[in-house]
Amino acid sequence: QSALTQPASVSGSPGQSITISCTGTSSDVGGYDYVSWYQQYPGKAPKLMIYDVSYRPSGISNRFSGSKSGNTASLTISGLQAEDEADYFCTSYTSISLYVFGTGTKVSVL
Amino acid sequence: QVQLQESGPGLVKPSETLSLTCTVSGGSIKNDYWNWIRQPAGKGLEWVGRIYVNGVTNYNPSLKSRVTLSMDTSKNQFSLKLNSVTAADTAVYHCARGLRGYYALDVWGQGTTVIVSS
Repeated sequence: QSALTQPASVSGSPGQSITISCTGTSSDVGGYDYVSWYQQYPGKAPKLMIYDVSYRPSGISNRFSGSKSGNTASLTISGLQAEDEADYFCTSYTSISLYVFGTGTKVSVL
Repeated sequence: QVQLQESGPGLVKPSETLSLTCTVSGGSIKNDYWNWIRQPAGKGLEWVGRIYVNGVTNYNPSLKSRVTLSMDTSKNQFSLKLNSVTAADTAVYHCARGLRGYYALDVWGQGTTVIVSS
């Protein structure tokens, strides 16, 4: 099971919007609406930001939104803030190994 | 609020068994799926497996022959055993709760580093 492909880094200025992509195959991202996104600060526990492609858990800012088209899912952060500087990774359900993770993206706020 | 804390030896010798425990606080272990995920240094995350209170387990096929998950409801803990370890098993190991009814992981532990070396 190959990892989902994410850009290594994405950057933006405060107030801007950025989008992180997560590309898989028809066996994972493209085949199921079970993509989730996580935020992780160095040395900290990952935090669930989006599940089922576009749903936010309680307490997550509406600046974070998710979508999917074909085999690619996306996380958009609007109104970028300094506190958004972190690592982000996606995961998808797959019938092979239940979960497959993305390669991870480092978001920098310029 | 539910919190997870991993514990176990930080150093394991090659060919031996890696054993980790995840302690759940702030909630009961009885109602959800409990997962292990690992991340080798410089590499991506890899799902290891999950266990439910009725003993049902699911494992990553790539690790299935070496992994055993178990649960102790009296201690609100679940555990991972990975046998015949090699240097490739060196990683940060996280435990996490499955979001009820969904394929997502809504509570994670900070992770514990395990190094396989003689």
